[in-house]
Amino acid sequence: AQSVAQPEDQVNVAEGNPLTVKCTYSVSGNPYLFWYVQYPNRGLQFLLKYITGDNLVKGSYGFEAEFNKSQTSFHLKKPSALVSDSALYFCAVRGRSSNTGKLIFGQGTTLQVKP
Amino acid sequence: NAGVTQTPKFRILKIGQSMTLQCTQDMNHNYMYWYRQDPGMGLKLIYYSVGAGITDKGEVPNGYNVSRSTTEDFPLRLELAAPSQTSVYFCASSYLGLAGASAGELFFGEGSRLTVL
Repeated sequence: AQSVAQPEDQVNVAEGNPLTVKCTYSVSGNPYLFWYVQYPNRGLQFLLKYITGDNLVKGSYGFEAEFNKSQTSFHLKKPSALVSDSALYFCAVRGRSSNTGKLIFGQGTTLQVKP
Repeated sequence: NAGVTQTPKFRILKIGQSMTLQCTQDMNHNYMYWYRQDPGMGLKLIYYSVGAGITDKGEVPNGYNVSRSTTEDFPLRLELAAPSQTSVYFCASSYLGLAGASAGELFFGEGSRLTVL
């Protein structure tokens, strides 16, 4: 069965410091991997995705994510956090053999960036 | 650039009442989904559709029904509202083309917050 784990309910960082939000996954075969961000009382916004190729994927708002096949991880990173990055972040996975398009989401990690 | 539009944004229902959450997308996406979001629980898939006239159950379909008569619209019906259906509901759509042509990232609406009292 496919699953996604986000081991931290909350991550706290100071503005200007680098941030990492962790994600590990379990899926048969090679995955498609995604990160979404949700601001309060809003829908989920797509940040970035891994399809194939370069293990470092760059996305919106200066975020990037590193795909590590051996560790089955897809951690979200940003070199310098902003207060405005404070939000709820979701990792999601889909197996390449899936023809339904369904994404499996992690439980979410709240990122709090303090001035 | 409307994307995915959900109505209503907020609704309060009494136990046993029925209602329909509307969802429409203007991106000509073939796939559509309904998720519910509960605090600390992530998103759970209720129903999905791979094209007009085709729907299937997700993880938590009990108490809900859907239909997909057009590519654009994917309404979610609650027949007999229960307090357990208090949640935020998200509609999403995606395009899956030929293998490798699209990863099928989802585009979400702004959500419908439902309270059942």
